[in-house]
Amino acid sequence: GAGVSQSPSNKVTEKGKDVELRCDPISGHTALYWYRQSLGQGLEFLIYFQGNSAPDKSGLPSDRFSAERTGGSVSTLTIQRTQQEDSAVYLCASSQNQGITEAFFGQGTRLTVV
Amino acid sequence: AQSVTQLGSHVSVSEGALVLLRCNYSSSVPPYLFWYVQYPNQGLQLLLKYTSAATLVKGINGFEAEFKKSETSFHLTKPSAHMSDAAEYFCAVSDLNTGNQFYFGTGTSLTVIP
Repeated sequence: GAGVSQSPSNKVTEKGKDVELRCDPISGHTALYWYRQSLGQGLEFLIYFQGNSAPDKSGLPSDRFSAERTGGSVSTLTIQRTQQEDSAVYLCASSQNQGITEAFFGQGTRLTVV
Repeated sequence: AQSVTQLGSHVSVSEGALVLLRCNYSSSVPPYLFWYVQYPNQGLQLLLKYTSAATLVKGINGFEAEFKKSETSFHLTKPSAHMSDAAEYFCAVSDLNTGNQFYFGTGTSLTVIP
């Protein structure tokens, strides 16, 4: 597609439920990133996929968070047993392969846990 | 390790005044530097990037930034602020050692006073 697409744009869920957030990167981009942005805060790195390499999961805040990237394209971020502190905007970005090109961001998914 | 420091989480300027947003980085190798802008309820949009070419980089909307190796800085400027410049601004650093990983500053919120 023309840009990074994230779905849903908004998600309200009950505490304790599982949620899945989807990211469709720009076609041909081998790098994919997930960030979390809490209200009034900066960007918190969550996870980074680069091609077929093992993902960098160092930013995942707990074992309730996981992500996968199928076929080197679409990525899904899953949060199990959601907590109120998980409420935030989850941003996905993609970039071309190594060579240090900019990251292109999606519009984000606003997650509210009630 | 790479890191980015943005001095001043909030900056206010009068319409028509100079905009100066500060960014300092640390990197053990020549860095690649980026400025992103985030308007309310939107994703991040690239303003400009430095990738080892000219040290003075011009971006969109009249913004520019100068890479100063001796000061490890990449400050963002605009000669005359416009009301539409009100947004959150993020500085980011990347380099070949990090394998295309991006490290973001905590952001600076710019308010333009009419």
